[in-house]
Amino acid sequence: KAGVTQTPRYLIKTRGQQVTLSCSPISGHRSVSWYQQTPGQGLQFLFEYFSETQRNKGNFPGRFSGRQFSNSRSEMNVSTLELGDSALYLCASSLAPGNYGYTFGSGTRLTVV
Amino acid sequence: AQSVTQLGSHVSVSEGALVLLRCNYSSSVPPYLFWYVQYPNQGLQLLLKYTSAATLVKGINGFEAEFKKSETSFHLTKPSAHMSDAAEYFCAVSPQGSQGNLIFGKGTKLSVKP
Repeated sequence: KAGVTQTPRYLIKTRGQQVTLSCSPISGHRSVSWYQQTPGQGLQFLFEYFSETQRNKGNFPGRFSGRQFSNSRSEMNVSTLELGDSALYLCASSLAPGNYGYTFGSGTRLTVV
Repeated sequence: AQSVTQLGSHVSVSEGALVLLRCNYSSSVPPYLFWYVQYPNQGLQLLLKYTSAATLVKGINGFEAEFKKSETSFHLTKPSAHMSDAAEYFCAVSPQGSQGNLIFGKGTKLSVKP
């Protein structure tokens, strides 16, 4: 059974550009969450999607957005990149919101120069 | 609002010694509690979770944690450390019914000396 797949694994972008990260959940999982991990702030919740609807959103500026498709795959987009957006972005999937347990992908390492 | 405090950003133990990683939480509603492990250049792996059933929770790789409501604690233990346990460990909380927005502690990096 394939795990959570995040692409690309590594990405280097220039300040001011935009970026799109992709997450394919485990087959049958309909809930997807995104987290940002940095050395200074640790792991911070970005957003959660279930059945193509955003259920929760963390405390991030509007430059961070996401969506979920009908096949449960999810993308997140960051526009007008800043140096501080450099981070490991983690996606996690679950059967549904609740106590099922989330499975995390290996992440996308974004470096903004 | 929920929050998590992990005492000790770095813990070092000898191989075969007891592992104790501390986690205290704050939650205004009954919480779900989780421990995750992260190896270098990898995502997070769920070790165990508390979802209001048994207060002593057994997880993978010989780890367990006990939910103590009176102490608002959910400490992670393992009787005998292995070299392969060296990693970073994260405690997380979420309000019941909304697991998607996990709130993580800052993490504890565990080193295991031979």
